[in-house]
Amino acid sequence: NAGVTQTPKFQVLKTGQSMTLQCAQDMNHNSMYWYRQDPGMGLRLIYYSASEGTTDKGEVPNGYNVSRLNKREFSLRLESAAPSQTSVYFCASSAQDANTGELFFGEGSRLTVL
Amino acid sequence: DQQVKQNSPSLSVQEGRISILNCDYTNSMFDYFLWYKKYPAEGPTFLISISSIKDKNEDGRFTVFLNKSAKHLSLHIVPSQPGDSAVYFCAAPRLTDSWGKLQFGAGTQVVVTP
Repeated sequence: NAGVTQTPKFQVLKTGQSMTLQCAQDMNHNSMYWYRQDPGMGLRLIYYSASEGTTDKGEVPNGYNVSRLNKREFSLRLESAAPSQTSVYFCASSAQDANTGELFFGEGSRLTVL
Repeated sequence: DQQVKQNSPSLSVQEGRISILNCDYTNSMFDYFLWYKKYPAEGPTFLISISSIKDKNEDGRFTVFLNKSAKHLSLHIVPSQPGDSAVYFCAAPRLTDSWGKLQFGAGTQVVVTP
């Protein structure tokens, strides 16, 4: 099983450009998440989706939009990238009834905004 | 407002000795805690968890201790092995309807030396 797959793994953008990070999971999980990791900050939740067709804001949603295209896919879009969005982005999924907080993460997408 | 704190950014330990990682939290409503392990260029992976109804949970070389009165938990790795060199994150579910919405500490980088 591939688990959680993210693309691209690396991206360099100029300020103001837009891009979409793609995420897909093959574990039949209902819930999916986007986190960002910054030095000294741990991981912070950007958006999450409890099930297909639903999305909700996390801790740091400003500057981002998401789409839960179907049960497998959850994309994160930066409409107008800013240097403050330079970070490593992780997509994750979990079984909705797990009630344990155990997440399965992708390998991450490193984004640099110049 | 970081409610989960890991105040030691790094820890160096000799192979075969004990590694002790600490985590403090400020929200007394947290009742479940997790530890994640992260290697470079990979996503975090779940390591071990503990419910607030317990004060200890053990899984092989890994033991997590919870002191609710002190709002403190620790992860013990005995004996430490070179493959344990990684960043360790402490996390707790936010108090909402989704257990995957985690609050993470900043992480502790563990280096196990031969």
